[in-house]
Amino acid sequence: QQQVKQSPQSLIVQKGGISIINCAYENTAFDYFPWYQQFPGKGPALLIAIRPDVSEKKEGRFTISFNKSAKQFSLHIMDSQPGDSATYFCAAQGGSEKLVFGKGTKLTVNP
Amino acid sequence: DSGVTQTPKHLITATGQRVTLRCSPRSGDLSVYWYQQSLDQGLQFLIQYYNGEERAKGNILERFSAQQFPDLHSELNLSSLELGDSALYFCASSPLGRAWGEKLFFGSGTQLSVL
Repeated sequence: QQQVKQSPQSLIVQKGGISIINCAYENTAFDYFPWYQQFPGKGPALLIAIRPDVSEKKEGRFTISFNKSAKQFSLHIMDSQPGDSATYFCAAQGGSEKLVFGKGTKLTVNP
Repeated sequence: DSGVTQTPKHLITATGQRVTLRCSPRSGDLSVYWYQQSLDQGLQFLIQYYNGEERAKGNILERFSAQQFPDLHSELNLSSLELGDSALYFCASSPLGRAWGEKLFFGSGTQLSVL
């Protein structure tokens, strides 16, 4: 049972475009939602995180939008750059659950 | 560089064999996590240790075991290996191992290939 469902599986955008990755969850006990970024040959690294008391969090070109009623959250990458090409994982944590990850989205930003 | 060291980077072995993966956490971090990454399942939580004690268990098979030593390094033991165990195994560490909201620092992983 996949506790966090992530889409799309892969995404190709042009340089300067907006990349959008979506995640949905079922467990209402989740109350911490981070995004991790993974480059080839490296482990995931925390990119940005949000708690459900806010609907949006922005850090530079990266924004998390959170919809508590729909149990969905998304990552927006504005002005996408080739250096953003990586695999992105959404995750969720709360209650007695350890951090659970989505299956990942491979983002390719073409120059 | 996350500060988490995993060895070896690659491991090739045969079915039925046993292997040991090693992880050194970031200096000062007390908690170690093991994750398995495969193409179809994504990142799956296996087990967490905190200061030498098992803290939480995830989808870890009975053929797998782990421990954390007094110097805080950890080892993941995989035995009676099957083809389906081929995956990338990550170790992560965190300062306190809180159940909620703590940043995890991942190593670069050990790629296990079972032939």
